[in-house]
Amino acid sequence: GNSVTQMEGPVTLSEEAFLTINCTYTATGYPSLFWYVQYPGEGLQLLLKATKADDKGSNKGFEATYRKETTSFHLEKGSVQVSDSAVYFCALSYTGANSKLTFGKGITLSVRP
Amino acid sequence: NAGVTQTPKFRVLKTGQSMTLLCAQDMNHEYMYWYRQDPGMGLRLIHYSVGEGTTAKGEVPDGYNVSRLKKQNFLLGLESAAPSQTSVYFCASSSPSSGSGDDTQYFGPGTRLTVL
Repeated sequence: GNSVTQMEGPVTLSEEAFLTINCTYTATGYPSLFWYVQYPGEGLQLLLKATKADDKGSNKGFEATYRKETTSFHLEKGSVQVSDSAVYFCALSYTGANSKLTFGKGITLSVRP
Repeated sequence: NAGVTQTPKFRVLKTGQSMTLLCAQDMNHEYMYWYRQDPGMGLRLIHYSVGEGTTAKGEVPDGYNVSRLKKQNFLLGLESAAPSQTSVYFCASSSPSSGSGDDTQYFGPGTRLTVL
Protein backbone atom coordinates (compact mmCIF):
# COMPACT_ATOMS: atom_id res chain seq x y z
CA GLY A 1 0.00 0.00 0.00
CA ASN A 2 0.89 3.67 -0.06
CA SER A 3 2.96 5.18 2.72
CA VAL A 4 4.72 8.40 3.64
CA THR A 5 7.81 8.55 5.83
CA GLN A 6 8.96 11.73 7.51
CA MET A 7 12.16 12.33 9.40
CA GLU A 8 11.99 11.97 13.16
CA GLY A 9 11.40 15.05 15.24
CA PRO A 10 11.06 17.36 16.97
CA VAL A 11 13.23 19.97 15.28
CA THR A 12 14.39 23.10 17.06
CA LEU A 13 16.04 25.92 15.14
CA SER A 14 17.10 29.48 15.75
CA GLU A 15 15.38 32.25 13.85
CA GLU A 16 16.82 32.80 10.34
CA ALA A 17 18.26 29.27 10.20
CA PHE A 18 17.86 27.06 7.12
CA LEU A 19 15.19 24.40 7.33
CA THR A 20 14.99 21.00 5.66
CA ILE A 21 12.33 18.44 6.54
CA ASN A 22 12.70 15.15 4.73
CA CYS A 23 9.79 13.25 3.26
CA THR A 24 9.86 10.08 1.17
CA TYR A 25 6.95 8.09 -0.14
CA THR A 26 6.01 4.66 -1.41
CA ALA A 27 3.23 4.58 -3.99
CA THR A 28 2.30 3.25 -7.39
CA GLY A 29 1.80 5.53 -10.34
CA TYR A 30 1.91 9.28 -9.99
CA PRO A 31 0.31 10.62 -6.83
CA SER A 32 -0.01 14.27 -5.92
CA LEU A 33 2.21 15.32 -3.02
CA PHE A 34 1.37 17.79 -0.30
CA TRP A 35 2.75 19.56 2.71
CA TYR A 36 0.19 20.54 5.32
CA VAL A 37 0.91 22.73 8.36
CA GLN A 38 -0.87 22.72 11.70
CA TYR A 39 -0.38 25.76 13.92
CA PRO A 40 -0.98 25.34 17.66
CA GLY A 41 -4.64 24.76 18.44
CA GLU A 42 -5.73 24.86 14.82
CA GLY A 43 -6.67 22.47 12.03
CA LEU A 44 -4.48 21.56 9.08
CA GLN A 45 -3.83 24.05 6.29
CA LEU A 46 -2.40 23.28 2.90
CA LEU A 47 1.09 24.76 2.68
CA LEU A 48 2.06 23.65 -0.82
CA LYS A 49 1.55 20.88 -3.32
CA ALA A 50 2.97 19.34 -6.47
CA THR A 51 1.05 17.17 -8.89
CA LYS A 52 3.70 15.73 -11.18
CA ALA A 53 7.37 14.84 -11.29
CA ASP A 54 9.82 17.78 -11.16
CA ASP A 55 7.06 20.21 -10.15
CA LYS A 56 8.06 22.64 -7.41
CA GLY A 57 5.46 23.77 -4.93
CA SER A 58 6.08 27.01 -3.05
CA ASN A 59 4.30 29.20 -0.52
CA LYS A 60 5.29 31.58 2.30
CA GLY A 61 8.98 31.05 1.53
CA PHE A 62 8.71 27.26 1.72
CA GLU A 63 9.56 25.07 -1.26
CA ALA A 64 9.42 21.39 -2.11
CA THR A 65 10.23 19.58 -5.37
CA TYR A 66 8.53 16.37 -6.51
CA ARG A 67 11.41 13.95 -7.15
CA LYS A 68 10.13 10.80 -8.80
CA GLU A 69 13.60 9.21 -9.08
CA THR A 70 14.19 9.40 -5.32
CA THR A 71 10.47 9.28 -4.33
CA SER A 72 10.98 12.36 -2.20
CA PHE A 73 9.29 15.68 -1.47
CA HIS A 74 11.59 17.45 0.99
CA LEU A 75 10.41 20.74 2.48
CA GLU A 76 12.89 23.64 2.64
CA LYS A 77 12.94 27.23 3.77
CA GLY A 78 15.95 29.51 3.62
CA SER A 79 15.26 31.54 6.76
CA VAL A 80 12.72 30.39 9.33
CA GLN A 81 10.77 32.70 11.61
CA VAL A 82 9.29 32.17 15.06
CA SER A 83 5.85 32.22 13.41
CA ASP A 84 6.80 29.05 11.46
CA SER A 85 6.64 27.02 14.67
CA ALA A 86 4.06 24.34 13.92
CA VAL A 87 3.58 20.68 13.04
CA TYR A 88 4.31 19.81 9.41
CA PHE A 89 2.74 16.85 7.63
CA CYS A 90 3.77 15.36 4.32
CA ALA A 91 0.99 13.56 2.45
CA LEU A 92 0.05 11.99 -0.86
CA SER A 93 -3.15 11.29 -2.71
CA TYR A 94 -4.52 10.44 -6.12
CA THR A 95 -7.18 12.37 -7.96
CA GLY A 96 -10.64 10.99 -8.52
CA ALA A 97 -12.17 8.09 -6.62
CA ASN A 98 -8.92 7.28 -4.83
CA SER A 99 -8.38 10.78 -3.48
CA LYS A 100 -7.81 9.71 0.13
CA LEU A 101 -4.81 11.36 1.75
CA THR A 102 -2.06 9.23 3.22
CA PHE A 103 -0.17 11.20 5.85
CA GLY A 104 3.24 10.94 7.39
CA LYS A 105 3.45 11.08 11.18
CA GLY A 106 4.20 14.79 11.23
CA ILE A 107 7.12 16.66 12.68
CA THR A 108 7.08 19.47 15.22
CA LEU A 109 9.18 22.51 14.39
CA SER A 110 10.06 25.02 17.11
CA VAL A 111 11.86 28.22 16.15
CA ARG A 112 13.67 30.16 18.88
CA PRO A 113 14.00 33.96 18.71
CA ASN B 1 -17.56 31.73 3.29
CA ALA B 2 -16.97 29.59 6.41
CA GLY B 3 -15.23 26.67 4.66
CA VAL B 4 -15.34 23.55 6.82
CA THR B 5 -16.85 23.80 10.30
CA GLN B 6 -17.04 21.20 13.06
CA THR B 7 -19.34 20.89 16.05
CA PRO B 8 -18.57 20.61 18.93
CA LYS B 9 -15.01 21.84 19.53
CA PHE B 10 -14.55 19.87 22.75
CA ARG B 11 -16.39 16.99 24.40
CA VAL B 12 -15.86 14.68 27.35
CA LEU B 13 -17.70 11.36 27.40
CA LYS B 14 -17.90 8.46 29.77
CA THR B 15 -17.21 4.96 28.50
CA GLY B 16 -20.30 3.56 26.81
CA GLN B 17 -21.91 6.89 26.01
CA SER B 18 -22.78 7.84 22.46
CA MET B 19 -22.35 11.05 20.52
CA THR B 20 -22.38 12.52 17.04
CA LEU B 21 -19.83 14.89 15.57
CA LEU B 22 -21.10 17.22 12.87
CA CYS B 23 -19.09 18.46 9.91
CA ALA B 24 -20.45 21.05 7.50
CA GLN B 25 -18.92 22.56 4.37
CA ASP B 26 -20.18 25.40 2.21
CA MET B 27 -17.88 24.86 -0.79
CA ASN B 28 -20.21 22.45 -2.62
CA HIS B 29 -17.55 19.74 -2.37
CA GLU B 30 -18.45 16.22 -3.36
CA TYR B 31 -15.98 14.36 -1.16
CA MET B 32 -15.86 14.49 2.63
CA TYR B 33 -13.61 12.70 5.12
CA TRP B 34 -13.22 12.01 8.81
CA TYR B 35 -9.73 11.60 10.29
CA ARG B 36 -8.42 11.06 13.76
CA GLN B 37 -5.13 12.48 14.98
CA ASP B 38 -3.15 10.76 17.69
CA PRO B 39 0.33 11.65 18.99
CA GLY B 40 3.06 10.10 16.85
CA MET B 41 0.52 8.59 14.45
CA GLY B 42 -0.21 11.42 12.04
CA LEU B 43 -3.76 11.50 10.73
CA ARG B 44 -5.63 8.30 9.95
CA LEU B 45 -8.74 8.06 7.81
CA ILE B 46 -11.83 6.73 9.59
CA HIS B 47 -14.56 6.96 6.93
CA TYR B 48 -15.14 8.97 3.81
CA SER B 49 -17.88 9.83 1.36
CA VAL B 50 -17.69 10.48 -2.38
CA GLY B 51 -21.16 11.92 -2.61
CA GLU B 52 -24.52 12.43 -0.95
CA GLY B 53 -25.92 9.13 0.30
CA THR B 54 -22.63 7.24 -0.01
CA THR B 55 -20.05 6.29 2.60
CA ALA B 56 -16.99 4.03 2.69
CA LYS B 57 -14.56 2.70 5.27
CA GLY B 58 -11.12 4.13 5.71
CA GLU B 59 -8.10 2.84 7.57
CA VAL B 60 -9.57 2.74 11.11
CA PRO B 61 -13.39 2.44 10.85
CA ASP B 62 -14.13 0.16 13.81
CA GLY B 63 -16.33 1.71 16.50
CA TYR B 64 -17.55 4.52 14.24
CA ASN B 65 -20.47 5.06 11.90
CA VAL B 66 -21.11 7.87 9.43
CA SER B 67 -23.93 9.32 7.40
CA ARG B 68 -24.08 11.74 4.46
CA LEU B 69 -27.75 12.60 4.09
CA LYS B 70 -27.02 16.03 2.67
CA LYS B 71 -24.14 17.00 0.42
CA GLN B 72 -22.91 19.69 2.80
CA ASN B 73 -22.96 17.58 5.99
CA PHE B 74 -21.00 14.55 7.12
CA LEU B 75 -21.80 13.07 10.53
CA LEU B 76 -19.51 10.83 12.58
CA GLY B 77 -21.15 8.72 15.28
CA LEU B 78 -19.74 6.85 18.22
CA GLU B 79 -22.37 4.38 19.44
CA SER B 80 -20.52 3.22 22.57
CA ALA B 81 -17.45 5.33 23.30
CA ALA B 82 -14.24 3.71 24.52
CA PRO B 83 -11.10 5.31 26.01
CA SER B 84 -9.21 4.26 22.86
CA GLN B 85 -11.35 6.75 20.96
CA THR B 86 -9.85 9.67 22.87
CA SER B 87 -8.39 11.73 20.05
CA VAL B 88 -8.68 14.86 17.97
CA TYR B 89 -11.08 14.41 15.08
CA PHE B 90 -10.76 16.34 11.85
CA CYS B 91 -13.19 16.62 9.01
CA ALA B 92 -12.11 17.53 5.49
CA SER B 93 -13.70 18.07 2.12
CA SER B 94 -12.55 18.19 -1.48
CA SER B 95 -13.81 18.24 -5.02
CA PRO B 96 -11.33 16.26 -7.11
CA SER B 97 -13.73 15.81 -10.00
CA SER B 98 -14.49 19.51 -10.40
CA GLY B 99 -12.41 19.69 -13.56
CA SER B 100 -10.14 22.36 -12.11
CA GLY B 101 -7.53 19.76 -11.20
CA ASP B 102 -7.66 20.88 -7.58
CA ASP B 103 -7.64 17.79 -5.39
CA THR B 104 -6.77 19.74 -2.25
CA GLN B 105 -8.50 18.68 0.92
CA TYR B 106 -9.72 21.51 3.17
CA PHE B 107 -9.81 20.80 6.87
CA GLY B 108 -12.01 21.90 9.71
CA PRO B 109 -10.62 23.14 13.06
CA GLY B 110 -11.03 19.80 14.81
CA THR B 111 -12.97 18.32 17.74
CA ARG B 112 -11.07 17.25 20.84
CA LEU B 113 -12.79 14.22 22.37
CA THR B 114 -11.89 12.66 25.69
CA VAL B 115 -13.45 9.37 26.77
CA LEU B 116 -13.08 8.59 30.47
